[in-house]
Amino acid sequence: QKEVEQDPGPLSVPEGAIVSLNCTYSNSAFQYFMWYRQYSRKGPELLMYTYSSGNKEDGRFTAQVDKSSKYISLFIRDSQPSDSATYLCAIQGASGYSTLTFGKGTMLLVSP
Amino acid sequence: GAGVSQSPSNKVTEKGKDVELRCDPISGHTALYWYRQSLGQGLEFLIYFQGNSAPDKSGLPSDRFSAERTGGSVSTLTIQRTQQEDSAVYLCASSLVSPTTGRVSPLHFGNGTRLTVT
Repeated sequence: QKEVEQDPGPLSVPEGAIVSLNCTYSNSAFQYFMWYRQYSRKGPELLMYTYSSGNKEDGRFTAQVDKSSKYISLFIRDSQPSDSATYLCAIQGASGYSTLTFGKGTMLLVSP
Repeated sequence: GAGVSQSPSNKVTEKGKDVELRCDPISGHTALYWYRQSLGQGLEFLIYFQGNSAPDKSGLPSDRFSAERTGGSVSTLTIQRTQQEDSAVYLCASSLVSPTTGRVSPLHFGNGTRLTVT
């Protein structure tokens, strides 16, 4: 089983829809959870960062972590065509230096 | 500049040639990472620097790959005798490190170097 699993998509939705993006992970030592957004031919940019179970909201974006199920989600409300990008989850261990483990990314397409 | 800068943005080279990719991290970021991103493969970790030393080189795919960092700032990734399977986008990221826990903060990425080996 891969350490981080993420459906590659593409996920196509109409403008204004609520989008749900998900990742599962296998190692319970992971403690820090991030979502990155990557536009075509650009580097990933950090969207959300959390280290606890529960929800974290930032504008139209909500990150949700369920450590008991090893499941993380990113919700996008009122999706816009400008949200069309690849979304990568990234997970990090707790102790000292620990590299990030990335999912393969989900491509999201929001049509006007 | 305020972000991570990588050069060149694109590189086309012939099989067997050596290439050097450069990364200029955010000022003050002591942690620096190199990742490789191939189509459909996600981000593959290559190497991590803390200051000028590389405590984790476990992701370098072969001895044709090497990296160095000087002055705790600029890093160079060198690929010798390039092969077609080296074609990918090479991403650099930098980060702060907690002086108390040693934990690395979320990474800030550059826009990458797109390497094509013909």
